[in-house]
Amino acid sequence: GENVEQHPSTLSVQEGDSAVIKCTYSDSASNYFPWYKQELGKRPQLIIDIRSNVGEKKDQRIAVTLNKTAKHFSLHITETQPEDSAVYFCAASTPRDDKIIFGKGTRLHILP
Amino acid sequence: KAGVTQTPRYLIKTRGQQVTLSCSPISGHRSVSWYQQTPGQGLQFLFEYFSETQRNKGNFPGRFSGRQFSNSRSEMNVSTLELGDSALYLCASSAGTGGGNTEAFFGQGTRLTVV
Repeated sequence: GENVEQHPSTLSVQEGDSAVIKCTYSDSASNYFPWYKQELGKRPQLIIDIRSNVGEKKDQRIAVTLNKTAKHFSLHITETQPEDSAVYFCAASTPRDDKIIFGKGTRLHILP
Repeated sequence: KAGVTQTPRYLIKTRGQQVTLSCSPISGHRSVSWYQQTPGQGLQFLFEYFSETQRNKGNFPGRFSGRQFSNSRSEMNVSTLELGDSALYLCASSAGTGGGNTEAFFGQGTRLTVV
C-alpha cells in the first residue's frame, strides 16, 4: 500500500525566513497530494493541495511542488509569521478511492 | 453547512473495556475515514467507509472495527482496550467519489485515555 515519508520532523525558522517541508510517496498511482495544518488543540485543516497534472501551485505565501518522476512533493512557506507555527502533514491519495495516507508530520516553530 | 461532528470529545476507560466513538459527516458526504493520532506517529489510517461498506482498512488489529449507517454516520469500536490505545481519534468526511476529488474535512476528534 501507499507509504508517505515526511522530513524534517521538526523545523525552526526565523520569522520572515522561508520554510520547506519535503515528502515522498511510494504508490505511483497517487494523484492527489493535500497538505494539512494542525494548530495546537485543533483539528487538521487543508491549506493547499496539488493534483498530479500540475507541477506547482501557489496560494499567497504558500506553494507546493510535485515531481512525479521522483515521487516527491514539497511545501514552501515564504515570509513566515508567528501564526505559521503548527504541525504540518503531507498526504497522498489514489484515484481508486478516498483513502488518504499521511506523513508523520513536521512541527514548525517560527522564532521571533 | 454543518461540519464534521464527533462525540464524545473526551473519554476515560479502563484496560479491558470497550468503547464506541461516533462521527457525523458533512451533509452529502458519503465517505468517512478514521485516523488514530499519537505523538510522533502522525495520523495513522484505521479504515474508510463508503455507502455502508468498508472500502479500505489500515494495519490495525481486529480489536478496531467500524460501521457506517445509511445516513453516512459512522461509528468505530475498540474492544479489549490497551494502554497503547490512548490517542486522539479523528474522523474525516469527503464526497467519496474518488478520482482525485478527495478533499477531506476533519472532526475535532475524540480524546481517548485508557487507564
